[in-house]
Amino acid sequence: EAQVTQNPRYLITVTGKKLTVTCSQNMNHEYMSWYRQDPGLGLRQIYYSMNVEVTDKGDVPEGYKVSRKEKRNFPLILESPSPNQTSLYFCASSFYDRELQYFGPGTRLTVT
Amino acid sequence: DAKTTQPPSMDCAEGRAANLPCNHSTISGNEYVYWYRQIHSQGPQYIIHGLKNNETNEMASLIITEDRKSSTLILPHATLRDTAVYYCIVRGPLSSARQLTFGSGTQLTVLP
Repeated sequence: EAQVTQNPRYLITVTGKKLTVTCSQNMNHEYMSWYRQDPGLGLRQIYYSMNVEVTDKGDVPEGYKVSRKEKRNFPLILESPSPNQTSLYFCASSFYDRELQYFGPGTRLTVT
Repeated sequence: DAKTTQPPSMDCAEGRAANLPCNHSTISGNEYVYWYRQIHSQGPQYIIHGLKNNETNEMASLIITEDRKSSTLILPHATLRDTAVYYCIVRGPLSSARQLTFGSGTQLTVLP
């Protein structure tokens, strides 16, 4: 089944404790991206990747890192999480950045 | 990407057709109309897209007016599980932005 998977689905952590949210797709998509969704602010893009080893900032990249060492995986790294990064995170992928995108199920992160 | 306008909310009786309108009067010739939906806190789910011809798939039908300035998503037999926020997005291969921009969407509530 074609899908985008994310892990963990739920995470509660404390300020400053490094964490990684994984994202994997099995559709051989070149384009992958991370969004966060907050009430009243909609979906905002954090980082995106056009292909392996090619990443770039989205609208809200501060406090986040990404890597794209393999085509299927695009982990989101929070080196020192802060409470304002409490949010619902979605990974998405597509063959090409300007066509339809497939979204993962989401990761709800709470930073205390 | 062309701006879209959708009603903020709609109700539909279970088993009846749900018709969700979208205005996109500034759409350009190479832009597609995409529909996504988001069931509460889940990842946005692609429904259907089209350029100028009407489209149908196992989930829905998309009717695009001849002038392409508006479209209607039709869920032929709405169920309670179709309760979600529905987003109409206009996007094309020459779009300036790499990320999808989700507007406010239409909250569809299917009533028993």
